[in-house]
Amino acid sequence: AQTVTQSQPEMSVQEAETVTLSCTYDTSENNYYLFWYKQPPSRQMILVIRQEAYKQQNATENRFSVNFQKAAKSFSLKISDSQLGDTAMYFCAFMKQWVQGAQKLVFGQGTRLTINP
Amino acid sequence: EAGVAQSPRYKIIEKRQSVAFWCNPISGHATLYWYQQILGQGPKLLIQFQNNGVVDDSQLPKDRFSAERLKGVDSTLKIQPAKLEDSAVYLCASTRDRAHGYTFGSGTRLTVV
Repeated sequence: AQTVTQSQPEMSVQEAETVTLSCTYDTSENNYYLFWYKQPPSRQMILVIRQEAYKQQNATENRFSVNFQKAAKSFSLKISDSQLGDTAMYFCAFMKQWVQGAQKLVFGQGTRLTINP
Repeated sequence: EAGVAQSPRYKIIEKRQSVAFWCNPISGHATLYWYQQILGQGPKLLIQFQNNGVVDDSQLPKDRFSAERLKGVDSTLKIQPAKLEDSAVYLCASTRDRAHGYTFGSGTRLTVV
């Protein structure tokens, strides 16, 4: 079964610093998608960034970027110039092709990120 | 576009009681998911619908949980009877296709006492 592992339960940095969240996954598939979701106290899961496995170029969305290492099955998230509003739980997620052509999203355990003023 | 709507926002019930959650996905999203998120853990898929048909319910405790998706739009998740370990946030999500990921609702926080 596919698994997603986030080895950092909690992280804390000062405002304006750069922080990197780690994620590894296990799969035998060649084509898949990887995501980072943010979950603030409001509980709503918000998509931060996504990466297609067939693309070698790392995805970037403003202050958020990923380091995708397909051979190592690693997918880390870098947040530059961190802001107080970045405080949240961050989940790494893997989407595979399941039976009958349906998608299935598998989540890691999450990393609680705190940005301190 | 409007987001995924869920209700109620919070629910407290006693064990052995029943409870139901409602979800209205984004218009045009054929695939709908129910996830259970226990405090401190990542969400776990309970059931997945494609239109009004069940695609994957392998993780759904069928002795107490049931779900339906009416006319391929709204969905209801029911627990009967509830146990203490069912205390969690229940998230509903919908998607257009795999490239775009999911859009989540704000969830229902269930407390079983």
